[in-house]
Amino acid sequence: AQKITQTQPGMFVQEKEAVTLDCTYDTSDPSYGLFWYKQPSSGEMIFLIYQGSYDQQNATEGRYSLNFQKARKSANLVISASQLGDSAMYFCAMRGDGYKLSFGAGTTVTVRA
Amino acid sequence: EAGVTQFPSHSVIEKGQTVTLRCDPISGHDNLYWYRRVMGKEIKFLLHFVKESKQDESGMPNNRFLAERTGGTYSTLKVQPAELEDSGVYFCASSQYNAGRIYGYTFGSGTRLTVV
Repeated sequence: AQKITQTQPGMFVQEKEAVTLDCTYDTSDPSYGLFWYKQPSSGEMIFLIYQGSYDQQNATEGRYSLNFQKARKSANLVISASQLGDSAMYFCAMRGDGYKLSFGAGTTVTVRA
Repeated sequence: EAGVTQFPSHSVIEKGQTVTLRCDPISGHDNLYWYRRVMGKEIKFLLHFVKESKQDESGMPNNRFLAERTGGTYSTLKVQPAELEDSGVYFCASSQYNAGRIYGYTFGSGTRLTVV
C-alpha cells in the first residue's frame, strides 16, 4: 500500500519569499514517481513537477523545485519568489507499480501582498 | 491541443436521483482515470480505463457507481441512486503510455456533485 502525508493544512507566505511544502511518502515499490499538483480556486488540477525514484537530480521547473530525499522518503516542494497567483491548494501524489495516483491531503497556500 | 474536458462543472441532485458525469480525455490518450474528493477527505482513485477496457476498478465505492468508456474515447460515470455521501468533486484524468513509460497525467477541472 502507498501512503502520502502532507502535514501542513495551511500556510501563509509573503509575496516574493520562498515557501516549502512538506510531503512524505511510504511505499514498498522499488520504482515510483512523485508529483505535485496545484489546485486554484477555479478547481482545475495543474501539474507542476515530477520526480522519478531513480532520478539522480532533484527536479526543477521554473520557480518550482522538488527537494527529493529518498532515504527519508520525502519530496518537498519549494516555490521560490512567491506570487499572489500561487495562492492555491497543493497536492503531493505518488504513482507506484500501477498507474493510479495516491494523493496527500493537500496544503493550502495563501500568498500575502 | 484541447485538455481534458468534464461536464457538467456542477450538479445538484436530490438523494435517490441519477446523475451522469462525462469526461472527454485528450485525443490519443489511451489511459483514462476517475478520481474523487469528498468533503474534507483526500483525493481517491476510483478506476482506470485503458482504451475501452477497465484496467483497475478497485476504487469504485459500491455498485451504485457505473463507469463506461465507449469506443475508448469519452467516459461516463453514472451514480444511481445517488446518496448524500456521494457529494464531492469528481476528477477525470488522462495520460499517454509509450513503451513502458507513462507520461504525465492531465486532469480536468472536475465536476462538483452535491446530493441534497
